[in-house]
Amino acid sequence: GQQVMQIPQYQHVQEGEDFTTYCNSSTTLSNIQWYKQRPGGHPVFLIQLVKSGEVKKQKRLTFQFGEAKKNSSLHITATQTTDVGTYFCAGPDRGSTLGRLYFGRGTQLTVWP
Amino acid sequence: SQTIHQWPATLVQPVGSPLSLECTVEGTSNPNLYWYRQAAGRGLQLLFYSVGIGQISSEVPQNLSASRPQDRQFILSSKKLLLSDSGFYLCAWSKHEQFFGPGTRLTVL
Repeated sequence: GQQVMQIPQYQHVQEGEDFTTYCNSSTTLSNIQWYKQRPGGHPVFLIQLVKSGEVKKQKRLTFQFGEAKKNSSLHITATQTTDVGTYFCAGPDRGSTLGRLYFGRGTQLTVWP
Repeated sequence: SQTIHQWPATLVQPVGSPLSLECTVEGTSNPNLYWYRQAAGRGLQLLFYSVGIGQISSEVPQNLSASRPQDRQFILSSKKLLLSDSGFYLCAWSKHEQFFGPGTRLTVL
């Protein structure tokens, strides 16, 4: 079945260091979405990438969608303590119009001050 | 604007007791609705999704059930809770991206 894999599962960095999480799909995706879940909170939508090779930036966050539309990455430059949380990627169910998403297991980011 | 509500926020229930979690959405019509469960420090497990009133699709066999009695109401139920039902239950609705409710933290003792 369709799967979305995400690595690493955990990442601990010192404030100011960079951070990257990687997402790979078993199938070609029409789009990929990224979510952030703060500790104790619920996932919040960050961004959607649609085009092959697309790169989008949100301040210190850079999102990339691979040329084959099967992988994606989120890179945070100079992490801050406010970046703490779990980052999930998600891809839509292939051939479905139901809005069902396959979520990666997430990367839990800890930032030491 | 659209909002999604879940209640209760936290719940402690004994093993074998029933469960009813409610989710309501405001500001949109005919949304796709989803129930997820998240174990501590883990990913999101899709439990049920619904594309309309009375239409429920189940992702995994379990002792939970879902119902959608109204367009913007989604209910998660159980007749008898198990210890393994403990977790963080999230309701979501979607347009293109998914919007999650605040969640219910369930502890089964």
